[in-house]
Amino acid sequence: SQQGEEDPQALSIQEGENATMNCSYKTSINNLQWYRQNSGRGLVHLILIRSNEREKHSGRLRVTLDTSKKSSSLLITASRAADTASYFCATDAGAAGNKLTFGGGTRVLVKP
Amino acid sequence: NAGVTQTPKFQVLKTGQSMTLQCAQDMNHNSMYWYRQDPGMGLRLIYYSASEGTTDKGEVPNGYNVSRLNKREFSLRLESAAPSQTSVYFCASSRLGLQGHEQFFGPGTRLTVL
Repeated sequence: SQQGEEDPQALSIQEGENATMNCSYKTSINNLQWYRQNSGRGLVHLILIRSNEREKHSGRLRVTLDTSKKSSSLLITASRAADTASYFCATDAGAAGNKLTFGGGTRVLVKP
Repeated sequence: NAGVTQTPKFQVLKTGQSMTLQCAQDMNHNSMYWYRQDPGMGLRLIYYSASEGTTDKGEVPNGYNVSRLNKREFSLRLESAAPSQTSVYFCASSRLGLQGHEQFFGPGTRLTVL
């Protein structure tokens, strides 16, 4: 079973628009992370937000976390064609081995 | 630094054949992981190794075995491949960053079982 469920499953936008995707999870967490996967490649870590944080920024990325609703959102501002990828949330619930549990991902297509 | 490397990149097996997927990391990370990713899906954890000398089952361990050969290397073995094991396999390692454990992924092995 997957801890995180992402919404929408797919998103198509024009270059320059903002892209927003959401992640819901089920159990208490230490932190939540977002990863990007370009087609046919491994995942790349984007940003981590701790359970006691509500918002975090990194370049064109903005992440929010609402632990009361067990949800997070990732906003990519001023999107570029190079942002075309799948985006996954992953939760760290403090399990043995520092395991992460990944959501099903949101596929983002940025049209030039 | 090469990061996390995986071999082979592609493999086709017949049902019942065996093979070992190799993974190595040069970042001195303690923890390593094996995931599978089916089309259009997220990652599911097969096995992990929290530190050298230890291995534990993840969410979908059936049909697989692992070996943590040393701190650098973590291999995944399919003893008798089945079509249901057709997938993309990713190895990852993790480090403790400033705020939590982040994982670093290899490029993946695309396995087809006929």
